[in-house]
Amino acid sequence: AQKVTQAQTEISVVEKEDVTLDCVYETRDTTYYLFWYKQPPSGELVFLIRRNSFDEQNEISGRYSWNFQKSTSSFNFTITASQVVDSAVYFCALSEVNRGSTLGRLYFGRGTQLTVWP
Amino acid sequence: NAGVTQTPKFQVLKTGQSMTLQCAQDMNHEYMSWYRQDPGMGLRLIHYSVGAGITDQGEVPNGYNVSRSTTEDFPLRLLSAAPSQTSVYFCASSYSMGGASYTFGSGTRLTVV
Repeated sequence: AQKVTQAQTEISVVEKEDVTLDCVYETRDTTYYLFWYKQPPSGELVFLIRRNSFDEQNEISGRYSWNFQKSTSSFNFTITASQVVDSAVYFCALSEVNRGSTLGRLYFGRGTQLTVWP
Repeated sequence: NAGVTQTPKFQVLKTGQSMTLQCAQDMNHEYMSWYRQDPGMGLRLIHYSVGAGITDQGEVPNGYNVSRSTTEDFPLRLLSAAPSQTSVYFCASSYSMGGASYTFGSGTRLTVV
């Protein structure tokens, strides 16, 4: 079973629209970390955010915001007023801390391809 | 610049050939790992290391070998390349396991024909 599910394979929006990328995770650990990475067409992985399991506060960084809800095991990512430069593949990832056999591994979702049209 | 350096950026191999993908970091990170990225699959862990002399298998280790003789370097060896190993390979490092932010290299695009 996938530990991280990104159900949206592709999303297309027009510039200035808001868009939310969904991420649902699965873990039995009480301590874990969630990440979002951006992969632009150039191919590198760009770190966006890290959130630990004890901090459910939503976070806003410019046009980016993240909504973490442990009750639904979700860590969704919203881009407000999208821009063409936001076009990329976005990955959600999970790292478990307590489990010895999986400690340190990053489990990635399959990614969401976001295309922002001008 | 501090970070994770991967070489080469592109490589074409013939089936059966062997090669080594290089990964070096200058941040004194103990934890290093290799991932492969395939279309629609996200990134999957191949091998990882928690320090010099210590390595372990990840999710998809078959056909790959690793060693960690120094803190800085973590090469990935393809013993006998197969078309199924056509992929983009990423090396990552972090200062600890679990909650640390991971720094990724720029990737190696490998094609096996």
